[in-house]
Formats: sequence, C-alpha cells, structure tokens
Amino acid sequence: QSVLTQPPSVSAAPGQRVTISCSGSSSNIGNNYVSWYQQLPGTAPKLLIYDNNKRPSGIPDRFSGSKSGTSATLGITGLQTGDEADYYCGTWDGSLSAGVFGGGTKLTGL
Amino acid sequence: QVQLQESGPGLVKPSETLSLTCTVSGASMNNYYWTWIRQPPGKGLEWIGYIYYSGSTNYNPSLKSRVTISVDTSKNQFSLELNSVTAADTAMYYCARGGRRDVYIRWGQGTLVTVSS
Repeated sequence: QSVLTQPPSVSAAPGQRVTISCSGSSSNIGNNYVSWYQQLPGTAPKLLIYDNNKRPSGIPDRFSGSKSGTSATLGITGLQTGDEADYYCGTWDGSLSAGVFGGGTKLTGL
Repeated sequence: QVQLQESGPGLVKPSETLSLTCTVSGASMNNYYWTWIRQPPGKGLEWIGYIYYSGSTNYNPSLKSRVTISVDTSKNQFSLELNSVTAADTAMYYCARGGRRDVYIRWGQGTLVTVSS
C-alpha cells in the first residue's frame, strides 16, 4: 500500500486534456515539494515535473503540475498516443524520513 | 550528459545478499544525492534509500535493517547491498541522481534481480 494515493487508471481521447491526482498528508505533500515521473512501457521512469510545477528542460508545456494542501495534480493537454504510460507522483515524507511514491496511474487513450 | 548504469547478478538465492553497483559517467558525483529505487514486476515504485556524495545515508524504514548503500567517488560508483533476501525482493532495481534527496532527475535503465533457488 503506497503512502500517496493515485487513481489506478485514467483515459482520454487524443487531443483532450487529462488530470491525474495524488493525495497525501501533512507529513508528505502538505509540507514538501511534489514531483511527477512518466514511465513508458519497458523503460525507466523519467522526471516530468519537480517542485510542484516546474518542468525540466525538454519537457513540453503540455505537461503541468499543481499542488493544494495535501494533494497534487498532473495535467496533460493535447493528449498524444505517445503519452500512454504510467505516471507516478513522489515527495519526501518527514515523519518517515524517507522518499515516498504514489501507486501509479496508467494513462490510456480512448 | 550524465549516464547511470546498474550492474550485478540477475539471480540471487533466498537468504543471500543482493549486491548491485551503479556506475556514473559524464559527471562528477560531488554535490549530488545518489538513490536506489526498486519496482517489483507489475507494481509501483519503492524508495530504498540514498547516499550523499559525502557519505551520509538515509534508508527506507521498512528495509533499514537489511540495507547498506555505499559510495566510491574515486571510481564514480555507488552500491547497494540488501541482505537476507526473499522472493518479495524480486524487482527491477534503478539507481538515480538528484540535486536534492527528494527529486530523481536522472535514472539508470534498471537491472532485474530475481530471488529464487
């Protein structure tokens, strides 16, 4: 059972917008930055968003992040077939003194 | 461009010690956090622990009694040892680099370790 809670799956049609939620508590999301990772099939995870809403160089602005209280959200606009992947949120948990992840959300196209 | 490459045995017997090395190329290890993360087949990511380039460490409480992470900056490598393994430790093991302990900017391709007799 993961410390952070994500929906197991979401789906959307190409070109549409999709959001993925990540819920935690005051010991993790509530007091720390959130990152998001994309894992394409058969590959290692890749950093998409850090510090709640910042994009590393090379990540298109179709990807966005936000945080409110003890929850965070990843948004993807103009959905492409190449976006079909597993998405994970991650942060630091001060009570555990450890890194924590969500269980992952599988994004599929309609 | 920094690259990370995991290496080690792909098969470990139950009760024995899993040992992996991550070799870093294209950059110094200084001033970075070096993390191990694993992913059981078909499941999500689990944080194992990190070592700062200076040698300070932090481990997942659920694994702390069995884990040791070490670093050799002269070889540009850091290592993971997990003892008393069981089938539950079967996973893809990733090494990763971050400028902070909570963000994993660059990942290795991963190495699959199976625990079986």
